[in-house]
Amino acid sequence: TQLLEQSPQFLSIQEGENLTVYCNSSSVFSSLQWYRQEPGEGPVLLVTVVTGGEVKKLKRLTFQFGDARKDSSLHITAAQPGDTGLYLCAGEPGGYQKVTFGTGTKLQVIP
Amino acid sequence: DVKVTQSSRYLVKRTGEKVFLECVQDMDHENMFWYRQDPGLGLRLIYFSYDVKMKEKGDIPEGYSVSREKKERFSLILESASTNQTSMYLCASSFSTLAGGYEQYFGPGTRLTVT
Repeated sequence: TQLLEQSPQFLSIQEGENLTVYCNSSSVFSSLQWYRQEPGEGPVLLVTVVTGGEVKKLKRLTFQFGDARKDSSLHITAAQPGDTGLYLCAGEPGGYQKVTFGTGTKLQVIP
Repeated sequence: DVKVTQSSRYLVKRTGEKVFLECVQDMDHENMFWYRQDPGLGLRLIYFSYDVKMKEKGDIPEGYSVSREKKERFSLILESASTNQTSMYLCASSFSTLAGGYEQYFGPGTRLTVT
């Protein structure tokens, strides 16, 4: 079973601060997704990265896939209270679509 | 707009009852999944399906079964509910993108409590 470790597990920051969340594995993935989940709801897809070294931006969120396709990061600039939630990364190894989900990072942005 | 719906948001059942959780997607996706999510344990895959009438065990299939008679519908069945099956159940569907990535779309979840 492939493992995806996310760090940090918890993050509480003030509005306007920047932050980075990491997603690491010893395994190679064909693609990697990032999701955000709010309490009592299902995860919502934010982005998919497929190419080593790829960088994607979604407004204040920047996603990067590692060159070796084993790790990824999510950087949020000037965090807003609306960014509060559980952030999950998910790696797809290829072939069958059995995705491995990361351990999650719970973000709280304080106004 | 992409839509995955689950039959109930909240469900309370008694130990030993047979429980059906229904999931419907309107995106014509081939792949459908059932997960459970528990604090400290993250998302764990119970069963998945790549096609109608096809099913594959995930990481924690014990105590569960599934049914996929139609492409858009994937049902999770708890044959005899137990208290350790109290959890948040999430259904998802997916397709493969032209860029080669696989993207899963989740339903809102069913919070099941077994007493």
